[in-house]
Amino acid sequence: AQRVTQPEKLLSVFKGAPVELKCNYSYSGSPELFWYVQYSRQRLQLLLRHISRESIKGFTADLNKGETSFHLKKPFAQEEDSAMYYCALDGGSQGNLIFGKGTKLSVKP
Amino acid sequence: SQTIHQWPATLVQPVGSPLSLECTVEGTSNPNLYWYRQAAGRGLQLLFYSVGIGQISSEVPQNLSASRPQDRQFILSSKKLLLSDSGFYLCASGGPNYGYTFGSGTRLTVV
Repeated sequence: AQRVTQPEKLLSVFKGAPVELKCNYSYSGSPELFWYVQYSRQRLQLLLRHISRESIKGFTADLNKGETSFHLKKPFAQEEDSAMYYCALDGGSQGNLIFGKGTKLSVKP
Repeated sequence: SQTIHQWPATLVQPVGSPLSLECTVEGTSNPNLYWYRQAAGRGLQLLFYSVGIGQISSEVPQNLSASRPQDRQFILSSKKLLLSDSGFYLCASGGPNYGYTFGSGTRLTVV
């Protein structure tokens, strides 16, 4: 079964500390994975996708097929990073996304 | 770039009343359209998707239905709302090759 698991509902760190938001997936094929972010009072938006191997706002995510993980990392968290983060897996030919339950990141001053 | 208009932002409806949530897309033609719901304490769940006018696929059995009367219009409906229909509903457009754009969502509370 296709599934995305984000084990942490809430992650609280201090400004300047490293942050890692965990994401594990279950998928039989070659996965396409995304991280979406929702800042307070804003709409859900794409943060990054694994196929482009980019770094957005200092965040990176590496696909580890052996561990079936796609953890989101940032070496030095900023207060403006506080938001809800969703890991998502592209589910197949119809293009539907399978979302994790989300992790709320709180960066304290 | 695509823009999704979704309304209303919040809605409080009594049990048994009908529902109509509308979503329109700008900046693209013949988009794939999706309705997602996030119930309290749960992740985003795909409800319906549409690859064209009049073409609707349902992912989960439920009290809701969807229609696509025009290329860039996607409507989520119910004839009689249940308490369990409460949640946050998101309209989205896009696909695997070029990503997804989301609307601002509708928070529905059924009382």
